Amino acid sequence: GENVEQHPSTLSVQEGDSAVIKCTYSDSASNYFPWYKQELGKRPQLIIDIRSNVGEKKDQRIAVTLNKTAKHFSLHITETQPEDSAVYFCALHLGGNTPLVFGKGTRLSVIA
Amino acid sequence: DVKVTQSSRYLVKRTGEKVFLECVQDMDHENMFWYRQDPGLGLRLIYFSYDVKMKEKGDIPEGYSVSREKKERFSLILESASTNQTSMYLCASSRYQGPDTGELFFGEGSRLTVL
Repeated sequence: GENVEQHPSTLSVQEGDSAVIKCTYSDSASNYFPWYKQELGKRPQLIIDIRSNVGEKKDQRIAVTLNKTAKHFSLHITETQPEDSAVYFCALHLGGNTPLVFGKGTRLSVIA
Repeated sequence: DVKVTQSSRYLVKRTGEKVFLECVQDMDHENMFWYRQDPGLGLRLIYFSYDVKMKEKGDIPEGYSVSREKKERFSLILESASTNQTSMYLCASSRYQGPDTGELFFGEGSRLTVL
């Protein structure tokens, strides 16, 4: 089945710096790309998503970009804060009655 | 607020025991999922269900079964628990949206230890 490669697996940044997490995929039928955030000891929650007809979407300090030609999408967090420390999962949907395919996650640590 | 409730946050079981993990959602969602989360391996799909009495295998169904007798409840069953099933189990639900997919709402997770 479809595989999503997520990099890096761990990322440490200084507070106030930017963080970028990238996911690559192979199936061009992928049409929906959400990002989930899981804080320590808590459940994963959707933070932002993008559909295949859009190249970029922003929500305050977070943004997602999609390059359908190169088959990759990225999460960008600007002005990082300690509360951004979490595990972030990318995912994609192949359409139809199929479940999301998740990346393996990136553990982001924001150092104050 | 959508609520996905998992019956047990922590369980300790012995090898060979039968284990039931229960999940209930209160938003009339059609779709329900069971994931297993292990460090470095992300979220791996065990089973999912798009309707009552319907089930589909995910990526790692071996050693597990599921039951969906009512729309709001999705149970994960370990017929004979083994130590390699020690893990965090996450239930999730989403609304049916035709060819699209909706937001996944996760439960708090059930941490199972098999001795």
